[in-house]
Amino acid sequence: AQSVAQPEDQVNVAEGNPLTVKCTYSVSGNPYLFWYVQYPNRGLQFLLKYITGDNLVKGSYGFEAEFNKSQTSFHLKKPSALVSDSALYFCAVRDFTGNQFYFGTGTSLTVIP
Amino acid sequence: GAGVSQSPRYKVAKRGQDVALRCDPISGHVSLFWYQQALGQGPEFLTYFQNEAQLDKSGLPSDRFFAERPEGSVSTLKIQRTQQEDSAVYLCASRPGRLANYGYTFGSGTRLTVV
Repeated sequence: AQSVAQPEDQVNVAEGNPLTVKCTYSVSGNPYLFWYVQYPNRGLQFLLKYITGDNLVKGSYGFEAEFNKSQTSFHLKKPSALVSDSALYFCAVRDFTGNQFYFGTGTSLTVIP
Repeated sequence: GAGVSQSPRYKVAKRGQDVALRCDPISGHVSLFWYQQALGQGPEFLTYFQNEAQLDKSGLPSDRFFAERPEGSVSTLKIQRTQQEDSAVYLCASRPGRLANYGYTFGSGTRLTVV
């Protein structure tokens, strides 16, 4: 069975500070992990993915994520938060066929000016 | 078009009414997916098409839900005899190829409210 957990419903961070949005996963087999962002009334936008290779993955808009196999985590990070980063963030794991994503419940990020 | 287009953006249905939600994928995209996103939840897989073939419908919650893609392009998700628990945002996504290496592109969704 594949699943991800996002332990925080809400994260608040001051503009310019580093941000972290947490995700842990549970998969059978190799994990294919993704981060998506959702702005109000918009579809999900792809940020980054981990399939294999380097544990530190760099993505869009300055975001990065670190794959940690021992802790089964895939936390999303950004060194300096922008107000425009305020949105809903979803971690997801893809099944082995590549045809189905299992999403977490989402974390609402608010960057305070 | 440039992106995945869904219509209508908003739909209010009375309980028991039938609804049809439309998805126009990116032109030429082979694979098409439907997801249901309930309020405060992450999206949940409903069904998957490769061209006109519905290869996976394991996520459809009941036999009231039906999806089709007869010509391998536009897809329609139909919900019969809507119930309040069907209220959600319905997301469509498409992918250029059969292979999972290609990324999904999601549409903005249709927000269905059943009253």
